[in-house]
Amino acid sequence: AQSVTQPDIHITVSEGASLELRCNYSYGATPYLFWYVQSPGQGLQLLLKYFSGDTLVQGIKGFEAEFKRSQSSFNLRKPSVHWSDAAEYFCAVISGAGSYQLTFGKGTKLSVIP
Amino acid sequence: DAGVIQSPRHEVTEMGQEVTLRCKPISGHNSLFWYRQTMMRGLELLIYFNNNVPIDDSGMPEDRFSAKMPNASFSTLKIQPSEPRDSAVYFCASSFIQGSYNEQFFGPGTRLTVL
Repeated sequence: AQSVTQPDIHITVSEGASLELRCNYSYGATPYLFWYVQSPGQGLQLLLKYFSGDTLVQGIKGFEAEFKRSQSSFNLRKPSVHWSDAAEYFCAVISGAGSYQLTFGKGTKLSVIP
Repeated sequence: DAGVIQSPRHEVTEMGQEVTLRCKPISGHNSLFWYRQTMMRGLELLIYFNNNVPIDDSGMPEDRFSAKMPNASFSTLKIQPSEPRDSAVYFCASSFIQGSYNEQFFGPGTRLTVL
């Protein structure tokens, strides 16, 4: 069964600094990969997704992620963090065509220092 | 579009009581998912429906949990009897799936506290 690891439980960055959130997955074939953001008291919002093709994907709110098959990683990046980016971020995977079950990582909480 | 609607947003109940959580998916979507979020286990899929039919309920923790989708615009998740360990945030998500995967849109969640 596939699994997702987000090794950082909590990250604190200064506003304007760059950000990278790590995500590693365990699955034999190429999975479908996602990043979601959850603001306090809110549901999850999709930031970006990777199904195939270009391994660098652009998302909303200035986020991007890069799929690296050799490292089984799908790290999320943003060049300059804004205070409004403080939230919890979840990486998720689907095992591929025909499967609809999202498997989520445990999440990384992002705090932003003004 | 109003998005996925869940009610109630907060529910506090006593152990042994029946709890019913409600979800209205996005109009036109044909798939509905129920998730549970806890600190210990993170986000877990409980059950999902496609065209109102339960496809996979392997995530439902035990017989105390049941879910129904009587029509395309409404679903319920019921816990009877409730226990303190059921305290969690329950999310409903919907999607339009036809042959290939499509984005799941999440509701705001119901925060359940069982005393």
